[in-house]
Amino acid sequence: GQNIDQPTEMTATEGAIVQINCTYQTSGFNGLFWYQQHAGEAPTFLSYNVLDGLEEKGRFSSFLSRSKGYSYLLLKELQMKDSASYLCAVNDYKLSFGAGTTVTVRA
Amino acid sequence: DAGVIQSPRHEVTEMGQEVTLRCKPISGHDYLFWYRQTMMRGLELLIYFNNNVPIDDSGMPEDRFSAKMPNASFSTLKIQPSEPRDSAVYFCATQAGGISPLHFGNGTRLTVT
Repeated sequence: GQNIDQPTEMTATEGAIVQINCTYQTSGFNGLFWYQQHAGEAPTFLSYNVLDGLEEKGRFSSFLSRSKGYSYLLLKELQMKDSASYLCAVNDYKLSFGAGTTVTVRA
Repeated sequence: DAGVIQSPRHEVTEMGQEVTLRCKPISGHDYLFWYRQTMMRGLELLIYFNNNVPIDDSGMPEDRFSAKMPNASFSTLKIQPSEPRDSAVYFCATQAGGISPLHFGNGTRLTVT
């Protein structure tokens, strides 16, 4: 089975940086994905990590440490439109999702 | 490509009725997943197919749920009979394979009264 943990909620100010942590325990590992989901919409793919280290994609970066079962998603230069739920998902032979972290960006 | 297409977008039905949700995957994607999302349980994997063959249905909650993929262009998720606790958003997602990302449809919001 899988156990994926991430904080429930985070609040930050426009222009700031927020880091969303994700820890996992899985029987196998074939990559970790981050998805963004706005209220009432479908999840959309943000980034993925297969090897240890940092992957940067514009204002979003994701980090992975396989030995620690740990990842984080870093959102820089926050904008109001970044208010959404962020889902950590781990792939062993199927993709399982964490409960999601709701990020609220304040003006 | 039009992306993953699900229908209907919204479904309201009475307890005991049969519900059929439909999904058209992205052409060329070999994997198809059915997820259910609720506030209480988050995004749960119900079943997934590889090349039209069901691989893992361990997430299907009860015998009332069934899913088929008769060809590479179409899949259905059926609930018979439906119950109020089945109310949720049901997502279909497809994947090209390997470690490529999942692409989600817009979901079907099911309400069972």
